[in-house]
Amino acid sequence: DAGVIQSPRHEVTEMGQEVTLRCKPISGHNSLFWYRQTMMRGLELLIYFNNNVPIDDSGMPEDRFSAKMPNASFSTLKIQPSEPRDSAVYFCASNQQMGQGVGYTFGSGTRLTVV
Amino acid sequence: DAKTTQPPSMDCAEGRAANLPCNHSTISGNEYVYWYRQIHSQGPQYIIHGLKNNETNEMASLIITEDRKSSTLILPHATLRDTAVYYCIVRSSNAGNNRKLIWGLGTSLAVNP
Repeated sequence: DAGVIQSPRHEVTEMGQEVTLRCKPISGHNSLFWYRQTMMRGLELLIYFNNNVPIDDSGMPEDRFSAKMPNASFSTLKIQPSEPRDSAVYFCASNQQMGQGVGYTFGSGTRLTVV
Repeated sequence: DAKTTQPPSMDCAEGRAANLPCNHSTISGNEYVYWYRQIHSQGPQYIIHGLKNNETNEMASLIITEDRKSSTLILPHATLRDTAVYYCIVRSSNAGNNRKLIWGLGTSLAVNP
């Protein structure tokens, strides 16, 4: 199993540009989570999906952020327009819904720098 | 959601056991304790979880007190590669589809040669 795959690994963009981050969860996992990590705020949950349906997007900072999961094997997180304060490492994670106590598997993250 | 308290940093000598404490005094009966770690520049990695019994796997052991208000993660023979930030998390109750993990600041463990 290749694990959770995120792309790109690094992204540098100018303020105002649109940024799209991509995630492929582990096959068979039906829950997917997008996190953001900064030195100041640590790991923050942005949104999570269950069976491709967004369940809780209360962590999405503002309307500039949007996430989609068109099918069980792909999700995107889009920022439009991007701002310097969006600079962070964005992680995607997945796991199986069934049962308590199932650990999440995280991807390697996308390091976003907005200049 | 129950919150956790961990020391911000710890040191351990290579080859010795690393014992990482976590306080979760407001944990409720159906909440699990999870441990993850994050090595620099990598995504968090699941280590172990438990409800009330002690647990052991190939990575670590988890000791949960009888009242469940605290726990200890034990790395029996720490190596330099165990240097990481260790997160103790109490999972929010599984009401419907609410399955978020609430992350704190963790313990930065430095394993020294």
